[in-house]
Amino acid sequence: AQTVTQSQPEMSVQEAETVTLSCTYDTSESDYYLFWYKQPPSRQMILVIRQEAYKQQNATENRFSVNFQKAAKSFSLKISDSQLGDAAMYFCAYRSLWEGGSQGNLIFGKGTKLSVKP
Amino acid sequence: SAVISQKPSRDICQRGTSLTIQCQVDSQVTMMFWYRQQPGQSLTLIATANQGSEATYESGFVIDKFPISRPNLTFSTLTVSNMSPEDSSIYLCSVLRDRGAGEDGYTFGSGTRLTVV
Repeated sequence: AQTVTQSQPEMSVQEAETVTLSCTYDTSESDYYLFWYKQPPSRQMILVIRQEAYKQQNATENRFSVNFQKAAKSFSLKISDSQLGDAAMYFCAYRSLWEGGSQGNLIFGKGTKLSVKP
Repeated sequence: SAVISQKPSRDICQRGTSLTIQCQVDSQVTMMFWYRQQPGQSLTLIATANQGSEATYESGFVIDKFPISRPNLTFSTLTVSNMSPEDSSIYLCSVLRDRGAGEDGYTFGSGTRLTVV
Protein backbone atom coordinates (compact mmCIF):
# COMPACT_ATOMS: atom_id res chain seq x y z
CA ALA A 1 0.00 0.00 0.00
CA GLN A 2 1.09 3.53 -0.69
CA THR A 3 2.02 5.88 2.13
CA VAL A 4 2.67 9.61 2.29
CA THR A 5 4.91 11.13 4.95
CA GLN A 6 5.16 14.76 5.96
CA SER A 7 7.86 15.04 8.58
CA GLN A 8 7.26 18.67 9.56
CA PRO A 9 4.15 19.05 11.77
CA GLU A 10 4.64 22.81 11.89
CA MET A 11 6.61 25.40 9.97
CA SER A 12 6.94 29.14 10.27
CA VAL A 13 8.02 31.73 7.72
CA GLN A 14 8.44 35.47 7.69
CA GLU A 15 6.21 37.37 5.31
CA ALA A 16 7.86 37.79 1.88
CA GLU A 17 10.35 35.02 2.59
CA THR A 18 10.53 31.54 1.07
CA VAL A 19 9.61 28.28 2.78
CA THR A 20 9.84 24.65 1.69
CA LEU A 21 7.50 21.94 2.93
CA SER A 22 8.70 18.35 2.71
CA CYS A 23 6.84 15.28 1.52
CA THR A 24 8.03 11.76 0.82
CA TYR A 25 5.99 8.83 -0.37
CA ASP A 26 6.31 5.13 -0.80
CA THR A 27 4.99 3.26 -3.82
CA SER A 28 5.92 0.48 -6.16
CA GLU A 29 3.99 2.04 -9.02
CA SER A 30 5.61 3.95 -11.85
CA ASP A 31 2.72 6.19 -12.82
CA TYR A 32 0.72 8.28 -10.41
CA TYR A 33 -0.28 11.81 -9.48
CA LEU A 34 0.97 13.91 -6.59
CA PHE A 35 -0.81 16.89 -5.12
CA TRP A 36 -0.43 19.63 -2.58
CA TYR A 37 -3.64 20.84 -0.94
CA LYS A 38 -4.14 23.82 1.33
CA GLN A 39 -6.72 23.76 4.12
CA PRO A 40 -7.35 27.10 5.82
CA PRO A 41 -9.47 27.35 9.00
CA SER A 42 -12.56 27.42 6.80
CA ARG A 43 -11.90 23.67 6.22
CA GLN A 44 -12.17 24.05 2.45
CA MET A 45 -9.60 21.91 0.66
CA ILE A 46 -7.90 23.99 -2.03
CA LEU A 47 -5.68 22.48 -4.71
CA VAL A 48 -2.33 24.25 -4.72
CA ILE A 49 -0.37 22.30 -7.30
CA ARG A 50 -0.24 18.89 -8.95
CA GLN A 51 2.43 16.78 -10.62
CA GLU A 52 2.19 13.86 -12.97
CA ALA A 53 4.86 11.28 -12.20
CA TYR A 54 5.72 10.74 -15.88
CA LYS A 55 6.63 14.40 -16.27
CA GLN A 56 10.20 15.25 -15.35
CA GLN A 57 9.57 18.98 -15.34
CA ASN A 58 8.65 20.35 -11.95
CA ALA A 59 5.19 21.92 -11.75
CA THR A 60 4.87 25.63 -11.04
CA GLU A 61 1.85 27.75 -10.18
CA ASN A 62 2.72 31.40 -9.61
CA ARG A 63 4.49 31.56 -6.20
CA PHE A 64 4.20 27.80 -5.68
CA SER A 65 6.59 25.28 -7.14
CA VAL A 66 7.56 21.71 -6.44
CA ASN A 67 10.81 19.80 -6.41
CA PHE A 68 9.83 16.36 -7.65
CA GLN A 69 12.52 13.72 -7.25
CA LYS A 70 10.97 10.50 -8.53
CA ALA A 71 13.87 8.20 -7.71
CA ALA A 72 14.03 9.54 -4.18
CA LYS A 73 10.21 9.57 -3.92
CA SER A 74 10.29 13.12 -2.73
CA PHE A 75 7.81 15.89 -3.52
CA SER A 76 8.54 19.15 -1.71
CA LEU A 77 6.57 22.38 -2.03
CA LYS A 78 8.29 25.74 -2.20
CA ILE A 79 6.31 28.88 -1.43
CA SER A 80 8.02 32.07 -2.54
CA ASP A 81 7.22 35.59 -1.34
CA SER A 82 5.05 34.19 1.45
CA GLN A 83 1.87 36.05 2.22
CA LEU A 84 -0.31 36.15 5.33
CA GLY A 85 -3.01 34.35 3.38
CA ASP A 86 -0.72 31.37 2.89
CA ALA A 87 -1.12 30.43 6.54
CA ALA A 88 -2.94 27.09 6.60
CA MET A 89 -2.54 23.34 6.85
CA TYR A 90 -0.82 21.88 3.82
CA PHE A 91 -1.40 18.29 2.82
CA CYS A 92 0.61 16.25 0.39
CA ALA A 93 -1.47 13.61 -1.41
CA TYR A 94 -0.92 10.65 -3.73
CA ARG A 95 -3.21 9.11 -6.28
CA SER A 96 -2.64 5.72 -7.83
CA LEU A 97 -3.39 5.31 -11.50
CA TRP A 98 -3.44 1.55 -11.35
CA GLU A 99 -6.99 0.29 -11.75
CA GLY A 100 -6.45 -2.45 -9.22
CA GLY A 101 -4.56 -0.26 -6.82
CA SER A 102 -7.23 2.04 -5.52
CA GLN A 103 -10.74 3.32 -5.95
CA GLY A 104 -9.38 6.55 -7.36
CA ASN A 105 -9.16 8.17 -3.97
CA LEU A 106 -6.36 10.36 -2.61
CA ILE A 107 -3.95 9.20 0.09
CA PHE A 108 -2.96 12.07 2.37
CA GLY A 109 0.02 12.82 4.54
CA LYS A 110 -0.50 14.06 8.09
CA GLY A 111 -0.12 17.66 7.10
CA THR A 112 2.12 20.63 7.92
CA LYS A 113 0.74 23.66 9.69
CA LEU A 114 2.27 26.77 8.15
CA SER A 115 2.35 30.04 10.06
CA VAL A 116 3.28 33.32 8.37
CA LYS A 117 4.71 36.08 10.55
CA PRO A 118 4.13 39.70 9.55
CA SER B 1 -14.94 21.82 -11.73
CA ALA B 2 -17.94 20.48 -9.84
CA VAL B 3 -19.57 22.47 -7.03
CA ILE B 4 -20.51 20.59 -3.87
CA SER B 5 -23.12 21.48 -1.29
CA GLN B 6 -22.49 19.57 1.92
CA LYS B 7 -24.99 19.76 4.77
CA PRO B 8 -25.07 20.29 7.66
CA SER B 9 -21.94 22.37 8.11
CA ARG B 10 -21.83 21.52 11.79
CA ASP B 11 -23.87 19.75 14.43
CA ILE B 12 -23.73 18.84 18.08
CA CYS B 13 -25.30 15.47 18.80
CA GLN B 14 -26.07 13.33 21.78
CA ARG B 15 -24.26 10.03 22.14
CA GLY B 16 -26.24 7.07 20.90
CA THR B 17 -28.01 9.04 18.18
CA SER B 18 -27.35 9.14 14.43
CA LEU B 19 -26.58 11.95 12.00
CA THR B 20 -26.96 11.91 8.24
CA ILE B 21 -24.70 14.14 6.16
CA GLN B 22 -25.69 15.06 2.63
CA CYS B 23 -23.45 15.72 -0.36
CA GLN B 24 -25.08 17.30 -3.42
CA VAL B 25 -23.09 17.93 -6.60
CA ASP B 26 -24.13 20.30 -9.35
CA SER B 27 -23.12 17.87 -12.10
CA GLN B 28 -22.84 14.14 -12.62
CA VAL B 29 -19.64 12.66 -11.27
CA THR B 30 -18.22 9.18 -11.46
CA MET B 31 -16.58 8.88 -8.07
CA MET B 32 -17.74 10.08 -4.67
CA PHE B 33 -15.70 9.63 -1.53
CA TRP B 34 -16.26 10.19 2.18
CA TYR B 35 -13.34 11.16 4.40
CA ARG B 36 -12.96 11.65 8.12
CA GLN B 37 -10.61 14.23 9.57
CA GLN B 38 -10.14 13.93 13.30
CA PRO B 39 -9.07 17.08 15.19
CA GLY B 40 -5.67 18.24 14.03
CA GLN B 41 -5.22 15.16 11.88
CA SER B 42 -5.13 14.20 8.22
CA LEU B 43 -7.93 12.96 6.02
CA THR B 44 -8.72 9.27 6.20
CA LEU B 45 -10.88 7.60 3.59
CA ILE B 46 -14.02 6.04 5.05
CA ALA B 47 -15.51 4.64 1.86
CA THR B 48 -16.16 5.10 -1.81
CA ALA B 49 -19.84 5.64 -2.57
CA ASN B 50 -20.93 3.55 -5.53
CA GLN B 51 -23.99 4.50 -7.51
CA GLY B 52 -26.63 1.82 -7.32
CA SER B 53 -24.60 -0.60 -5.21
CA GLU B 54 -23.06 -0.98 -1.78
CA ALA B 55 -20.25 1.37 -0.84
CA THR B 56 -16.67 0.11 -0.69
CA TYR B 57 -15.34 0.55 2.84
CA GLU B 58 -11.75 0.96 3.95
CA SER B 59 -10.22 -1.12 6.68
CA GLY B 60 -11.52 -0.06 10.06
CA PHE B 61 -14.84 1.29 8.79
CA VAL B 62 -18.01 -0.82 8.59
CA ILE B 63 -21.37 -0.38 6.98
CA ASP B 64 -23.32 -0.74 10.22
CA LYS B 65 -21.51 2.25 11.69
CA PHE B 66 -21.25 4.38 8.53
CA PRO B 67 -24.06 3.47 6.14
CA ILE B 68 -23.75 5.26 2.83
CA SER B 69 -26.27 5.78 0.08
CA ARG B 70 -25.75 6.96 -3.47
CA PRO B 71 -29.01 6.85 -5.38
CA ASN B 72 -27.71 8.73 -8.43
CA LEU B 73 -24.61 10.39 -9.92
CA THR B 74 -25.07 13.72 -8.09
CA PHE B 75 -26.04 12.82 -4.53
CA SER B 76 -24.76 10.78 -1.59
CA THR B 77 -25.36 10.55 2.13
CA LEU B 78 -23.19 9.34 4.97
CA THR B 79 -24.79 8.38 8.26
CA VAL B 80 -22.80 8.23 11.47
CA SER B 81 -24.72 5.75 13.62
CA ASN B 82 -24.89 5.18 17.36
CA MET B 83 -22.48 8.03 17.93
CA SER B 84 -19.90 8.25 20.67
CA PRO B 85 -17.53 11.12 21.54
CA GLU B 86 -14.82 9.34 19.52
CA ASP B 87 -16.86 10.11 16.39
CA SER B 88 -16.30 13.83 16.88
CA SER B 89 -14.56 14.81 13.66
CA ILE B 90 -14.88 16.68 10.43
CA TYR B 91 -16.48 14.62 7.69
CA LEU B 92 -15.76 15.60 4.10
CA CYS B 93 -17.33 14.62 0.84
CA SER B 94 -15.09 14.58 -2.23
CA VAL B 95 -15.91 13.91 -5.86
CA LEU B 96 -13.95 13.04 -8.96
CA ARG B 97 -15.55 14.02 -12.22
CA ASP B 98 -14.35 10.86 -13.91
CA ARG B 99 -11.67 8.34 -13.17
CA GLY B 100 -9.43 9.71 -15.89
CA ALA B 101 -9.65 13.25 -14.55
CA GLY B 102 -6.90 12.88 -12.01
CA GLU B 103 -5.26 16.21 -12.53
CA ASP B 104 -7.91 18.71 -11.65
CA GLY B 105 -11.01 16.63 -11.23
CA TYR B 106 -11.15 16.46 -7.45
CA THR B 107 -13.53 18.72 -5.58
CA PHE B 108 -14.18 18.78 -1.85
CA GLY B 109 -17.19 19.81 0.14
CA SER B 110 -16.75 22.33 2.92
CA GLY B 111 -17.05 19.62 5.53
CA THR B 112 -19.33 18.80 8.45
CA ARG B 113 -17.96 19.44 11.91
CA LEU B 114 -19.55 16.89 14.22
CA THR B 115 -19.33 17.12 17.99
CA VAL B 116 -20.75 14.27 20.06
CA VAL B 117 -21.55 15.02 23.69
